[in-house]
Amino acid sequence: AQSVTQPDIHITVSEGASLELRCNYSYGATPYLFWYVQSPGQGLQLLLKYFSGDTLVQGIKGFEAEFKRSQSSFNLRKPSVHWSDAAEYFCAVAVNTGGFKTIFGAGTRLFVKA
Amino acid sequence: GAVVSQHPSRVICKSGTSVKIECRSLDFQATTMFWYRQFPKKSLMLMATSNEGSKATYEQGVEKDKFLINHASLTLSTLTVTSAHPEDSSFYICSASPGTSGRYEQYFGPGTRLTVT
Repeated sequence: AQSVTQPDIHITVSEGASLELRCNYSYGATPYLFWYVQSPGQGLQLLLKYFSGDTLVQGIKGFEAEFKRSQSSFNLRKPSVHWSDAAEYFCAVAVNTGGFKTIFGAGTRLFVKA
Repeated sequence: GAVVSQHPSRVICKSGTSVKIECRSLDFQATTMFWYRQFPKKSLMLMATSNEGSKATYEQGVEKDKFLINHASLTLSTLTVTSAHPEDSSFYICSASPGTSGRYEQYFGPGTRLTVT
Protein backbone atom coordinates (compact mmCIF):
# COMPACT_ATOMS: atom_id res chain seq x y z
CA ALA A 1 0.00 0.00 0.00
CA GLN A 2 1.07 3.52 -0.63
CA SER A 3 2.20 5.52 2.36
CA VAL A 4 4.30 8.45 3.47
CA THR A 5 6.22 8.47 6.71
CA GLN A 6 7.53 11.52 8.47
CA PRO A 7 9.33 10.08 11.47
CA ASP A 8 9.68 13.33 13.37
CA ILE A 9 6.49 14.67 14.94
CA HIS A 10 8.22 17.88 15.88
CA ILE A 11 11.65 19.44 15.56
CA THR A 12 13.16 22.46 17.26
CA VAL A 13 16.02 24.37 15.68
CA SER A 14 17.72 27.63 16.48
CA GLU A 15 17.27 30.53 14.16
CA GLY A 16 20.09 30.52 11.65
CA ALA A 17 20.76 26.82 12.04
CA SER A 18 20.31 24.32 9.26
CA LEU A 19 17.23 22.15 8.95
CA GLU A 20 16.46 18.73 7.58
CA LEU A 21 13.01 17.18 7.68
CA ARG A 22 12.80 13.53 6.85
CA CYS A 23 10.32 11.84 4.57
CA ASN A 24 10.09 8.26 3.37
CA TYR A 25 7.51 6.97 0.95
CA SER A 26 6.19 3.63 -0.17
CA TYR A 27 4.90 3.44 -3.73
CA GLY A 28 5.56 0.88 -6.41
CA ALA A 29 5.59 3.18 -9.40
CA THR A 30 7.34 6.43 -10.23
CA PRO A 31 6.69 8.76 -7.33
CA TYR A 32 5.53 12.31 -7.71
CA LEU A 33 6.63 13.93 -4.47
CA PHE A 34 5.74 17.16 -2.78
CA TRP A 35 6.49 19.21 0.29
CA TYR A 36 3.86 21.57 1.63
CA VAL A 37 3.90 24.04 4.49
CA GLN A 38 0.91 24.96 6.62
CA SER A 39 0.73 27.86 9.01
CA PRO A 40 -1.81 27.62 11.85
CA GLY A 41 -5.39 27.77 10.63
CA GLN A 42 -4.33 28.09 7.02
CA GLY A 43 -4.38 25.99 3.89
CA LEU A 44 -1.32 24.36 2.38
CA GLN A 45 1.34 26.09 0.36
CA LEU A 46 3.50 24.14 -2.04
CA LEU A 47 7.20 24.46 -1.26
CA LEU A 48 8.56 22.23 -4.00
CA LYS A 49 7.86 19.15 -6.04
CA TYR A 50 9.70 16.34 -7.78
CA PHE A 51 8.38 14.74 -10.93
CA SER A 52 11.51 13.64 -12.77
CA GLY A 53 14.99 14.75 -13.75
CA ASP A 54 17.44 16.33 -11.34
CA THR A 55 17.02 14.67 -7.98
CA LEU A 56 17.86 17.87 -6.11
CA VAL A 57 14.96 20.25 -6.42
CA GLN A 58 14.81 23.84 -5.39
CA GLY A 59 11.72 25.39 -3.92
CA ILE A 60 10.47 28.63 -2.55
CA LYS A 61 11.69 30.33 0.61
CA GLY A 62 15.16 28.83 0.27
CA PHE A 63 14.07 25.22 0.68
CA GLU A 64 15.41 22.29 -1.29
CA ALA A 65 14.78 18.57 -1.27
CA GLU A 66 16.66 15.58 -2.54
CA PHE A 67 15.00 12.51 -4.02
CA LYS A 68 16.86 9.29 -3.28
CA ARG A 69 15.20 6.37 -4.97
CA SER A 70 17.43 3.78 -3.29
CA GLN A 71 16.31 5.02 0.11
CA SER A 72 12.73 5.90 -0.88
CA SER A 73 13.35 9.26 0.67
CA PHE A 74 12.61 12.87 -0.13
CA ASN A 75 14.12 14.94 2.67
CA LEU A 76 13.58 18.66 2.92
CA ARG A 77 16.46 20.95 3.78
CA LYS A 78 17.17 24.58 4.43
CA PRO A 79 20.65 25.92 5.22
CA SER A 80 19.55 28.69 7.56
CA VAL A 81 16.19 28.74 9.28
CA HIS A 82 14.27 31.93 9.93
CA TRP A 83 11.76 32.43 12.73
CA SER A 84 9.03 32.76 10.10
CA ASP A 85 9.67 29.16 9.02
CA ALA A 86 7.94 27.88 12.15
CA ALA A 87 4.99 25.89 10.80
CA GLU A 88 3.76 22.41 10.01
CA TYR A 89 5.42 20.65 7.09
CA PHE A 90 3.83 17.86 5.11
CA CYS A 91 5.47 15.48 2.70
CA ALA A 92 3.16 13.94 0.13
CA VAL A 93 3.14 11.53 -2.78
CA ALA A 94 0.71 11.59 -5.67
CA VAL A 95 -0.46 8.16 -6.73
CA ASN A 96 -2.38 7.05 -9.76
CA THR A 97 -5.39 4.94 -8.88
CA GLY A 98 -7.25 5.41 -12.10
CA GLY A 99 -7.25 9.13 -11.37
CA PHE A 100 -4.73 10.68 -9.09
CA LYS A 101 -4.86 11.32 -5.40
CA THR A 102 -2.38 12.56 -2.88
CA ILE A 103 -1.29 10.77 0.24
CA PHE A 104 0.09 12.92 3.00
CA GLY A 105 2.51 12.17 5.75
CA ALA A 106 1.53 12.92 9.32
CA GLY A 107 3.44 16.17 9.29
CA THR A 108 6.37 17.60 11.21
CA ARG A 109 5.90 20.65 13.37
CA LEU A 110 8.91 22.96 13.21
CA PHE A 111 9.67 25.19 16.16
CA VAL A 112 12.30 27.90 15.81
CA LYS A 113 14.00 29.29 18.87
CA ALA A 114 15.77 32.60 19.05
CA GLY B 1 -2.02 32.43 -10.48
CA ALA B 2 -3.62 29.18 -9.30
CA VAL B 3 -5.71 30.65 -6.52
CA VAL B 4 -8.37 28.63 -4.74
CA SER B 5 -10.85 30.23 -2.39
CA GLN B 6 -13.15 28.73 0.21
CA HIS B 7 -16.22 30.19 1.75
CA PRO B 8 -16.94 30.55 4.56
CA SER B 9 -13.64 30.55 6.41
CA ARG B 10 -15.40 29.80 9.66
CA VAL B 11 -18.88 28.57 10.41
CA ILE B 12 -20.71 27.61 13.57
CA CYS B 13 -23.90 25.64 13.28
CA LYS B 14 -26.26 23.83 15.59
CA SER B 15 -26.42 20.09 15.78
CA GLY B 16 -28.86 18.68 13.26
CA THR B 17 -28.56 21.47 10.74
CA SER B 18 -26.75 21.37 7.41
CA VAL B 19 -23.94 23.58 6.27
CA LYS B 20 -22.50 24.19 2.81
CA ILE B 21 -18.89 25.00 2.05
CA GLU B 22 -17.87 26.39 -1.31
CA CYS B 23 -14.58 25.89 -3.07
CA ARG B 24 -13.71 27.98 -6.11
CA SER B 25 -10.76 28.03 -8.47
CA LEU B 26 -10.40 31.71 -9.29
CA ASP B 27 -8.04 31.77 -12.23
CA PHE B 28 -8.04 28.32 -13.74
CA GLN B 29 -10.43 25.57 -14.63
CA ALA B 30 -10.38 22.67 -12.24
CA THR B 31 -11.29 19.37 -13.79
CA THR B 32 -10.80 17.70 -10.43
CA MET B 33 -11.39 18.94 -6.93
CA PHE B 34 -10.54 17.23 -3.69
CA TRP B 35 -12.01 17.56 -0.23
CA TYR B 36 -9.92 16.89 2.84
CA ARG B 37 -10.62 16.84 6.51
CA GLN B 38 -7.97 17.73 9.03
CA PHE B 39 -8.26 16.96 12.72
CA PRO B 40 -6.32 19.08 15.22
CA LYS B 41 -2.59 18.51 14.94
CA LYS B 42 -3.18 15.77 12.39
CA SER B 43 -2.57 15.26 8.74
CA LEU B 44 -5.03 15.74 5.92
CA MET B 45 -7.44 12.91 5.28
CA LEU B 46 -8.84 12.71 1.77
CA MET B 47 -12.61 12.51 1.92
CA ALA B 48 -13.55 12.50 -1.73
CA THR B 49 -12.52 13.33 -5.25
CA SER B 50 -14.90 15.08 -7.58
CA ASN B 51 -14.70 15.55 -11.31
CA GLU B 52 -16.78 18.19 -12.99
CA GLY B 53 -20.11 16.85 -14.10
CA SER B 54 -19.83 13.45 -12.49
CA LYS B 55 -20.45 11.90 -9.13
CA ALA B 56 -17.81 12.21 -6.47
CA THR B 57 -15.66 9.27 -5.49
CA TYR B 58 -15.58 8.84 -1.75
CA GLU B 59 -12.80 7.31 0.26
CA GLN B 60 -13.50 4.28 2.36
CA GLY B 61 -15.25 5.14 5.58
CA VAL B 62 -16.61 8.49 4.41
CA GLU B 63 -20.41 8.63 4.41
CA LYS B 64 -21.51 9.94 1.04
CA ASP B 65 -25.00 10.69 2.28
CA LYS B 66 -23.63 12.82 5.06
CA PHE B 67 -20.99 14.67 3.08
CA LEU B 68 -22.64 15.70 -0.16
CA ILE B 69 -20.29 16.90 -2.85
CA ASN B 70 -21.33 18.72 -5.98
CA HIS B 71 -18.92 19.78 -8.72
CA ALA B 72 -21.30 21.69 -10.91
CA SER B 73 -18.80 23.66 -12.93
CA LEU B 74 -15.11 23.78 -13.71
CA THR B 75 -14.59 26.44 -11.07
CA LEU B 76 -16.91 25.45 -8.26
CA SER B 77 -17.33 22.52 -5.94
CA THR B 78 -19.46 22.42 -2.81
CA LEU B 79 -19.38 20.23 0.25
CA THR B 80 -22.57 20.01 2.28
CA VAL B 81 -22.40 18.50 5.72
CA THR B 82 -25.90 17.24 6.37
CA SER B 83 -27.42 16.82 9.81
CA ALA B 84 -24.20 17.96 11.38
CA HIS B 85 -23.13 16.65 14.77
CA PRO B 86 -20.36 17.81 17.11
CA GLU B 87 -18.08 15.05 15.87
CA ASP B 88 -18.21 16.65 12.42
CA SER B 89 -16.41 19.68 13.81
CA SER B 90 -13.16 19.92 11.94
CA PHE B 91 -11.05 21.87 9.49
CA TYR B 92 -12.14 21.17 5.94
CA ILE B 93 -9.77 21.95 3.10
CA CYS B 94 -10.44 21.74 -0.60
CA SER B 95 -7.96 21.62 -3.43
CA ALA B 96 -8.31 21.97 -7.16
CA SER B 97 -6.34 20.45 -9.98
CA PRO B 98 -6.22 21.73 -13.53
CA GLY B 99 -5.84 18.14 -14.58
CA THR B 100 -3.00 18.71 -17.00
CA SER B 101 -1.98 15.28 -18.15
CA GLY B 102 0.91 13.84 -16.19
CA ARG B 103 1.06 16.69 -13.75
CA TYR B 104 -0.29 15.73 -10.38
CA GLU B 105 -0.61 19.23 -9.09
CA GLN B 106 -3.26 20.64 -6.88
CA TYR B 107 -3.80 24.02 -5.31
CA PHE B 108 -5.27 24.32 -1.87
CA GLY B 109 -7.90 26.58 -0.47
CA PRO B 110 -7.39 28.30 2.89
CA GLY B 111 -9.73 25.93 4.68
CA THR B 112 -13.02 26.19 6.54
CA ARG B 113 -13.28 25.73 10.27
CA LEU B 114 -16.58 24.06 11.09
CA THR B 115 -17.82 24.01 14.67
CA VAL B 116 -21.02 22.15 15.47
CA THR B 117 -22.58 23.00 18.81
